This record gives sequence, structure tokens and C-alpha cells, in this order.
Amino acid sequence: DAKTTQPPSMDCAEGRAANLPCNHSTISGNEYVYWYRQIHSQGPQYIIHGLKNNETNEMASLIITEDRKSSTLILPHATLRDTAVYYCIVRVANRDDKIIFGKGTRLHILP
Amino acid sequence: EAEVAQSPRYKITEKSQAVAFWCDPISGHATLYWYRQILGQGPELLVQFQDESVVDDSQLPKDRFSAERLKGVDSTLKIQPAELGDSAMYLCASSLGTGRADTQYFGPGTRLTVL
Repeated sequence: DAKTTQPPSMDCAEGRAANLPCNHSTISGNEYVYWYRQIHSQGPQYIIHGLKNNETNEMASLIITEDRKSSTLILPHATLRDTAVYYCIVRVANRDDKIIFGKGTRLHILP
Repeated sequence: EAEVAQSPRYKITEKSQAVAFWCDPISGHATLYWYRQILGQGPELLVQFQDESVVDDSQLPKDRFSAERLKGVDSTLKIQPAELGDSAMYLCASSLGTGRADTQYFGPGTRLTVL
């Protein structure tokens, strides 16, 4: 079973920041938080990952709470192309194990 | 930017026929994964390779599914015979394979429809 909990769906207005929450209250000290997204009929796309510190790349920012029990993915200026299912995943840091996907959050960007 | 290649993108077949899917991982990636995604659900692992060796095939229906990665580069997933319940998206992913939760990069997938 997935070790994360996400809202099933969210709406965000185009041009606004989209903030996607994820709960991972049972995360271990050696587990990363990963985010992927899947646009309709395409393969999952890697977005970002982090262990303890907040991370930012050209796609998004990842904010991890100090106790590491939850995190938020931020898309700073959402566009219609960001409409997708977003998956929050925890992965053990010292193994190349399979990814266990949950149900994710279906993000709708509204024009 | 290097990508994982898969073919075909779409496949329609009749039940009891044989089908095969091909995956070419990102160059230099030692670990290769095949996932299956049923409509409305998240992908689930079928088989994982480290170079040419199978690391995890616990969820592969071995009576009808087979997978190989003979030279440790590209891989083929075969279903024989196909059943109606095999209709799904078949996704290939690859990673460096250093043993430190390397990022997995996914291909575009093969959409299989069994009639």
C-alpha cells in the first residue's frame, strides 16, 4: 500500500500558484519524498524530490515540514498544461525499489 | 534530453493472441522496470531488471507473461496468450541503478487493447 495520503482532486485558476498537499506521517528518516505527474495518456513525469530540505527546480518547489510528516508541491504559475494527476511517493534512500503509486491528486487548471 | 523509448505506442489484439512490447532505456541506465497501469489506477510493477538479471518479478503473471533483457540494454515484454483483463497501459522506466533510490524516468507507454 502507498504510504502517502493526498486529496483526490483540486482546482486552481490559471496563472495562480497550485499548492498540492501530501501526508506521509509514517515516513522514515531514510526515505525521500518524490513527486511525479501523469498527463492524460502519457507516462509519469518526474517533477522533484527531497529528503529534509526544501527543494526548487525549474518545474516546481517542494516544501517539507520540519517533522517530515507532510509536504507541499508548489507550481508557482499554473498553466492549462499542468492539468494532470500528481503522485506523492516515499522511497527508501538506499535501494532502487519499485515505486508504489497511490491514487494521486487530479489537478484541474481552470482558464 | 535523453528519453526512454517504447514501441508500439498502441496495440489492438484479440484474446489468445501473442503480443510483444519493446523498451529502450536511457543510455547508461542499469535498472529497467516494466509497470502496468489499469485505467483509473496508478502504475504497478511487473518486473525489475538490474543489467540483464531479474531483481523482482513477484507480480509478473508467469503463466502468460515473460520479460527479457538479454544484453542488459533494451528489453521485451511478451504476453501469450493475451486475455481481456490484460487491456492496460504498459510502461517502461529506467534509472541509473546505483542502489540509492535513483530517479526513475518513464517512457510514453504502450496502450494495449484486447478484444
